[in-house]
Amino acid sequence: SQQGEEDPQALSIQEGENATMNCSYKTSINNLQWYRQNSGRGLVHLILIRSNEREKHSGRLRVTLDTSKKSSSLLITASRAADTASYFCATDGGYSTLTFGKGTMLLVSP
Amino acid sequence: NAGVMQNPRHLVRRRGQEARLRCSPMKGHSHVYWYRQLPEEGLKFMVYLQKENIIDESGMPKERFSAEFPKEGPSILRIQQVVRGDSAAYFCASSPPVGTGNSPLHFGNGTRLTVT
Repeated sequence: SQQGEEDPQALSIQEGENATMNCSYKTSINNLQWYRQNSGRGLVHLILIRSNEREKHSGRLRVTLDTSKKSSSLLITASRAADTASYFCATDGGYSTLTFGKGTMLLVSP
Repeated sequence: NAGVMQNPRHLVRRRGQEARLRCSPMKGHSHVYWYRQLPEEGLKFMVYLQKENIIDESGMPKERFSAEFPKEGPSILRIQQVVRGDSAAYFCASSPPVGTGNSPLHFGNGTRLTVT
């Protein structure tokens, strides 16, 4: 079964707005990662947050992790049309490799 | 540094034929992972390999699918007697030899397999 589940499935916003995507998972984890996928391309790593961290920033990205609720959120501030992509969370909960959710499709309109 | 290289980018096979997908990991990476992605779905783990070893193949169908990562050369995902349901994008990723989840995975741009 899926370890990570993103919410919402799809998100449509205007340029300049903030975009928030959520991820819930089932088992205990060591780390949680977020990836981005442009149409027709492979996934690109965005950020890794460890289980003992609560928040992490990278440029316009802000990731939070709540291990008590088994959830994470990815916030993209001041979004741009170029941020249009699918975003996936991935967890390592007890498996030999990362398990990905189904992703959130983000559309940023100019 | 070249990233993860997958070829071919697109592969069309008729039902019953064999498909061979190749993946060259990033330089210095000894771990290779294969994932399958159906339209508007997430990535489903298939197999995890190190050089000359299959570490975890729990996501791979028991029949028709096999994978290898030889001492020399790329990793190969082989699908025998393809069926229409095998049509998907197959992604390869690599990582350095660190614990699972401790390092980002570096993905190739995938091979899109179409079975007619």
